[in-house]
Amino acid sequence: DAKTTQPTSMDCAEGRAANLPCNHSTISGNEYVYWYRQIHSQGPQYIIHGLKNNETNEMASLIITEDRKSSTLILPHATLRDTAVYYCIVSPWGGSSNTGKLIFGQGTTLQVKP
Amino acid sequence: DARVTQTPRHKVTEMGQEVTMRCQPILGHNTVFWYRQTMMQGLELLAYFRNRAPLDDSGMPKDRFSAEMPDATLATLKIQPSEPRDSAVYFCASGPTGASSVFEAFFGQGTRLTVV
Repeated sequence: DAKTTQPTSMDCAEGRAANLPCNHSTISGNEYVYWYRQIHSQGPQYIIHGLKNNETNEMASLIITEDRKSSTLILPHATLRDTAVYYCIVSPWGGSSNTGKLIFGQGTTLQVKP
Repeated sequence: DARVTQTPRHKVTEMGQEVTMRCQPILGHNTVFWYRQTMMQGLELLAYFRNRAPLDDSGMPKDRFSAEMPDATLATLKIQPSEPRDSAVYFCASGPTGASSVFEAFFGQGTRLTVV
């Protein structure tokens, strides 16, 4: 599975948009981009995923560049409860695929400040 | 509300003792992942199963760790003998691999293991 690179930490003001970048320059055509987050001492939680197109759900938006070598997770109005470690993962796992696994890197620690 | 259940939530044991951690995946999920999390190493994938068969356990120390799925409702991770360096939080996750519209893996709350 392809490797990802994320900044170690970021700060965001409460109520503002949080934009978390991820580089995945070696992504393969069959690999999805996944975002998970882990709030202190809890299990990781799925946020969103995408293949080629930008995606939006009730939690966040995912912007994937046209060449698929990088992506940005956007939390439109960050709250204090969004303080967590955010993981970007690329993997063929998921959907109708029967291959792949979810490998977590070090992630980005997002601190939302009042 | 379907969830992955892990037991025990906390375990303190003495070095050399056997430890068994259990995971009940969500009903109908055919993929189970085991992870270990420490401050130094982060979240490491130890093993994963599909349809109860181990697909990859390359992340697991073979001499003392073993993982099994005796049936579709139970996954176990065993350490024998345990060592202080095994102290970590162990997470189990399950997902419905092969379901065309589902991409989410669900994580349990973890087992916090302390080996003294």
